[in-house]
Amino acid sequence: GESVGLHLPTLSVQEGDNSIINCAYSNSASDYFIWYKQESGKGPQFIIDIRSNMDKRQGQRVTVLLNKTVKHLSLQIAATQPGDSAVYFCAENRGSNYKLTFGKGTLLTVNP
Amino acid sequence: DGGITQSPKYLFRKEGQNVTLSCEQNLNHDAMYWYRQDPGQGLRLIYYSQIVNDFQKGDIAEGYSVSREKKESFPLTVTSAQKNPTAFYLCASAQGLSGYTFGSGTRLTVV
Repeated sequence: GESVGLHLPTLSVQEGDNSIINCAYSNSASDYFIWYKQESGKGPQFIIDIRSNMDKRQGQRVTVLLNKTVKHLSLQIAATQPGDSAVYFCAENRGSNYKLTFGKGTLLTVNP
Repeated sequence: DGGITQSPKYLFRKEGQNVTLSCEQNLNHDAMYWYRQDPGQGLRLIYYSQIVNDFQKGDIAEGYSVSREKKESFPLTVTSAQKNPTAFYLCASAQGLSGYTFGSGTRLTVV
């Protein structure tokens, strides 16, 4: 979920388990959301996106769920692998100028 | 292959120096962005440009400057006015939001 202060939320899972990473947003005008994966020392990589006219979208091993009522976004990773260990960010577009606003991220650690 | 390239990967700055971080893209994207990332923090927008010869301040523009003379290039100068420049800097480009692509970053350290 969203973090407060300087410490990232962390999620530790066993290899093969499913992971769920959460993100809350506050702006009801946000109409587009993206999940990114960032490995240590690298730039963020696009994982999956969703528009506000949808509540679910699936990719390869990943599913994004959007609950506009409670302004909540989640990323589900199926059969989590050690290579999935990274920081995961949600980003939202608040409807103007192609700017994205990023959450602080969640650190996912996959234990073999 | 199309992509976005940041250089250098590591950069060291002495007190009072200006340094320039390079960002080049061959994706033919109109928009380019600079973000700053501090440990345990999300990405904060420094400057962005939606078209050549035009750019706007982001949330933390003080102590930074940019130029956009060519579509492919969006260099960021960290000036001596930036009192706490040590951070990881990320450049991105986009053609519409779904094409938002990041470079691999530059780690700047004050020595």
